[in-house]
Amino acid sequence: DGGITQSPKYLFRKEGQNVTLSCEQNLNHDAMYWYRQDPGQGLRLIYYSQIVNDFQKGDIAEGYSVSREKKESFPLTVTSAQKNPTAFYLCATQEYGYGYTFGSGTRLTVV
Amino acid sequence: AQSVTQLDSQVPVFEEAPVELRCNYSSSVSVYLFWYVQYPNQGLQLLLKYLSGSTLVESINGFEAEFNKSQTSFHLRKPSVHISDTAEYFCAVSGDSGGSNYKLTFGKGTLLTVNP
Repeated sequence: DGGITQSPKYLFRKEGQNVTLSCEQNLNHDAMYWYRQDPGQGLRLIYYSQIVNDFQKGDIAEGYSVSREKKESFPLTVTSAQKNPTAFYLCATQEYGYGYTFGSGTRLTVV
Repeated sequence: AQSVTQLDSQVPVFEEAPVELRCNYSSSVSVYLFWYVQYPNQGLQLLLKYLSGSTLVESINGFEAEFNKSQTSFHLRKPSVHISDTAEYFCAVSGDSGGSNYKLTFGKGTLLTVNP
């Protein structure tokens, strides 16, 4: 089945710890995106990548980092610099000219 | 740049009643328009989209939306809702001319609650 796999589904982070969220796709889509979702705030763009080895900051990139070494993979690292990381994180891909296909999300909680 | 306004953050309705979820957008270029649905603790699923052609677009589960260019709107409607339609609905817009212009801008969402 073609699709997007986000893992893990639930993740717990201690204060001061870096964590990495995985996003893998087999749709052969060029563009990939990371969004953060908080209640009542909709989706806010963290980072996006339109091609391998290239990515751009979104609206709320501070405290996050990404890499795009392979077309299939776009991992997101939440660093200790992100002061309020508890949220639902969504990865999406896009075939140009059409809408996004979303993964099922990762819920990150700081403990 | 584009922006999207979803005029209602919450819409409660009774089962079998009609519903309209409102979406207005602003853009300096021609647009593509989308509605997504999100069930609790899941990702977003594409409900329907307008790319070109007929301004009235339909989904397989009875929703429809009409692109109104003069009013810059893309309201979502369903003539008779079911309990299972309870979810959050997001309107989104992108430009139609390539590159980063295809990046979607989302509204803040409308929570539709269908009561028995």
